[in-house]
Amino acid sequence: EIVLTQSPATLSLSPGERATLSCRASQSIGSHLGWYQQKPGQAPRLLIYDASNRATGIPARFSGSGSGTDFTLTISSLEPEDFAVYYCQQRSVWPLTFGGGTKVEIK
Amino acid sequence: EVQLVESGGGLVQPGGSLRLSCEASGFTFSSYAMTWVRQAPGKGLEWVSAISDNSGGTYYADSVKGRFTVSRDNSKNTLYLQMNSLRAEDTALYYCAKETGSSAYYPFDYWGQGTLVTVSS
Repeated sequence: EIVLTQSPATLSLSPGERATLSCRASQSIGSHLGWYQQKPGQAPRLLIYDASNRATGIPARFSGSGSGTDFTLTISSLEPEDFAVYYCQQRSVWPLTFGGGTKVEIK
Repeated sequence: EVQLVESGGGLVQPGGSLRLSCEASGFTFSSYAMTWVRQAPGKGLEWVSAISDNSGGTYYADSVKGRFTVSRDNSKNTLYLQMNSLRAEDTALYYCAKETGSSAYYPFDYWGQGTLVTVSS
């Protein structure tokens, strides 16, 4: 099973600041990584698929990069609605797995 | 508008069974793979199971293999998860999600609101 390790566990930032979230895979997964955002009481939402492609309707301030084992989600300038938990997920190898999540909280 | 509505959750004793349903609308259900993801209270996301568009491929997390069975009825636009031999650690909010492709390993672009399963005596 591929283990996805997300860091940091919590990121405390102010609106307008840049957020950089990391996801590291225990073995190479090519570019088969996605990022999801989850707000309290809501279902997750797909932000990025295949490492760097924004999903439909996702603002340009969200970007993804990386391949192999190291991936990054960047939010260029945090909006109030971006404070949430972010999960990475790999679809390269069965079973599919999620990372443990990074909470982006207001500083 | 894509809609996914889960049902069938509830309180069940350890060792018991439940069948979850996910009714889909707003897209051609028979053309897309579907998946189940769960979230224990206060915890992260855990992928549970997936099924291809024509039921030709089914996949399971190790934690549920042999106990859970995923199926679908394309004539009813409905996805199912039969859960047997339930354990306390199966307690979670169960989401169904639509995948972006027909085979069962694509990203999940639409999610339901979830149905809560509680396993307790």
